[in-house]
Amino acid sequence: EAGVAQSPRYKIIEKRQSVAFWCNPISGHATLYWYQQILGQGPKLLIQFQNNGVVDDSQLPKDRFSAERLKGVDSTLKIQPAKLEDSAVYLCASSSLGNGYTFGSGTRLTVV
Amino acid sequence: GQQVMQIPQYQHVQEGEDFTTYCNSSTTLSNIQWYKQRPGGHPVFLIQLVKSGEVKKQKRLTFQFGEAKKNSSLHITATQTTDVGTYFCAGSLWGYQKVTFGTGTKLQVIP
Repeated sequence: EAGVAQSPRYKIIEKRQSVAFWCNPISGHATLYWYQQILGQGPKLLIQFQNNGVVDDSQLPKDRFSAERLKGVDSTLKIQPAKLEDSAVYLCASSSLGNGYTFGSGTRLTVV
Repeated sequence: GQQVMQIPQYQHVQEGEDFTTYCNSSTTLSNIQWYKQRPGGHPVFLIQLVKSGEVKKQKRLTFQFGEAKKNSSLHITATQTTDVGTYFCAGSLWGYQKVTFGTGTKLQVIP
């Protein structure tokens, strides 16, 4: 089966600019997650979708981050405006309920 | 909030030696998952434990879930250079939602 697709792989932007990441999960996986992984740390959950509804976004900085999952398939994560501390790898993962997560290759964001 | 700590943070071993990483949660978990992340890569799912005291094996890897469901361990027998990477545990309080990743243990294997 195809894996979780993410794009772009790398992005460099200046602070205060905006950026968007895209994720296409494994077909049939109802649950989609966005994680932020800062270098040397474990992944931190930003938002979890079940189909196209939000299950948990308690750690999403809502003043600058937004995410949507239209039609319960693809998802986009947006940052506007970006800050230096947003430099990280943004990982998308999907799962079917009760199973482990399949992660995409991630988007490495550098904010300068 | 829920905290999941792992020890040690780093471990260097000679090839052929054994390795163990420990995962401790501040709260009782519903289940625990283990992931491996190679340098420059993304986390890859290894296994999930659900029952109290559960032990599962995958070739040279042995995973254990504590009786109180607050801790877990991963033991690798006779490490190989292909075992290099960071091992994360990830636990959930409620069903399979809101999984919190641990701090990770970075394993370096010296040939």
